[in-house]
Amino acid sequence: AQSVAQPEDQVNVAEGNPLTVKCTYSVSGNPYLFWYVQYPNRGLQFLLKYITGDNLVKGSYGFEAEFNKSQTSFHLKKPSALVSDSALYFCAVRDAGGGNKLTFGTGTQLKVEL
Amino acid sequence: EAGVVQSPRYKIIEKKQPVAFWCNPISGHNTLYWYRQNLGQGPELLIRYENEEAVDDSQLPKDRFSAERLKGVDSTLKIQPAELGDSAVYLCASSPVGGGNSPLHFGNGTRLTVT
Repeated sequence: AQSVAQPEDQVNVAEGNPLTVKCTYSVSGNPYLFWYVQYPNRGLQFLLKYITGDNLVKGSYGFEAEFNKSQTSFHLKKPSALVSDSALYFCAVRDAGGGNKLTFGTGTQLKVEL
Repeated sequence: EAGVVQSPRYKIIEKKQPVAFWCNPISGHNTLYWYRQNLGQGPELLIRYENEEAVDDSQLPKDRFSAERLKGVDSTLKIQPAELGDSAVYLCASSPVGGGNSPLHFGNGTRLTVT
C-alpha cells in the first residue's frame, strides 16, 4: 500500500528566511509526486509535481521541491518565505506504474512571521 | 477557465437528517472525485468517476452514502441519514483523465456540521 508521511505538523519560519516542508513517501513502483496548498476555507491548489527527469522541480509562487529517490523524499522549499505563504501544505503520491489512487499526507501548517 | 464549483459552501443539519452536495467539474474533465477531509487530516477518497461510471467506490460507506454523475458532468453526493461522525469538509475535484501525472483541480468544498 502506498503512503505519505509529513513528519511536522507545523513549521514556523521568519519572513525572508528559507523554508522547507518535509515529505517522505512509500510506493511500490516509481512515484508521481505532488504538492498542494490549502488556504483557510478553500480547496487544495496544485503547486508542483514530479514526474521524471530533473530532481529539482519548480512550481508556482517561487516554490520548488527536490526529489530524492534514495531517501524516498520530496521536500518542498522556498528560498525566501513570505507572510502570505502561511497555509496548510499537502504532499501526495501516485504510483506511476498505472495505479490511479492519489494518497495524501496529513498536512503541514506553515506559519511565516514578520 | 472556470474552476470546480461546489455548493453549498456550508451546511448544518441534525443527525439522522439527509444532506446532498453538488459539484460541477471543469469543462472537459472526464474524471471526477469526491474526497472527505476531516479536521487536521489530508483528503481521503470516497469515490472516483470516469465519465458517468463509478470506477472506485471502495471507500464509500454504502450503507448511508450514495453518489451519482448523470450524463458524465455534474455530480451529487448524498448522505442519508447523517451521523455526528460525518462532520467534515467534502471536496470535489476533477482532472482531464484519471491517474497518470495529471494534477487534481479542487473546489472550495462543503463544510458539513452534524449536530
